[in-house]
Amino acid sequence: QVQLQESGPGLVKPSETLSLSCIVSGVSIRSYYWNWIRQPPGKGLEWIGYIYHSGTISYNPSLKDRVTISLDTARNQFSLKMNSVTAADTAVYYCASQREGFNYWGQGTLVTVSS
Amino acid sequence: DIQMTQSPTSLSASVGDRVTITCQASQDINNYLNWYQQKPGKAPKLLIYDASNLESGVPSRFSGSGSGTDFTFTISSLQPEDFTTYYCQQYDSLPLTFGGGTKVEIK
Repeated sequence: QVQLQESGPGLVKPSETLSLSCIVSGVSIRSYYWNWIRQPPGKGLEWIGYIYHSGTISYNPSLKDRVTISLDTARNQFSLKMNSVTAADTAVYYCASQREGFNYWGQGTLVTVSS
Repeated sequence: DIQMTQSPTSLSASVGDRVTITCQASQDINNYLNWYQQKPGKAPKLLIYDASNLESGVPSRFSGSGSGTDFTFTISSLQPEDFTTYYCQQYDSLPLTFGGGTKVEIK
């Protein structure tokens, strides 16, 4: 079955770079759009961006200057980098595939920005 | 950005009740509207895509309707496991955006 698994540090210092990876199993990384979505504690969902194997990438303009999403087709995984983080970036970060809707999700990983 | 306004933000209901949640888009999104269920500590789960299509494996008590700017999500008979939070999401235009969520609580 399709599984997505986020990995990366759970604690990042202010002004540093948040780096997460999402390992995809059970489906080719060429099959869907691959997204990052986040959810601050107790709040709603915010789309960060997506990537497609063709090279298509789109970012949320609210985060565009700080975010990079990349794809590693050989390892069937994709990654998120967000620089210059602040406490406002503290959230659960999810990776998700997209067909029409976000049909498969990772379990989420909490990233806390704190010194 | 397209703003998605969900209402109500919360509601109280009993097992067996019929529950309706609405989602209004700030501009026409055709039928590019999805609904998700999120339980505490878990990732959202896709229930309805393209406004009215039931995702595979989702119980038929969940349904959706609407097009353009106004959409409705209905649970025909609330079950104990349905008391949680629901979100709408549009994918007509970038950036993809979500509604603020509706928490369904036990009366």
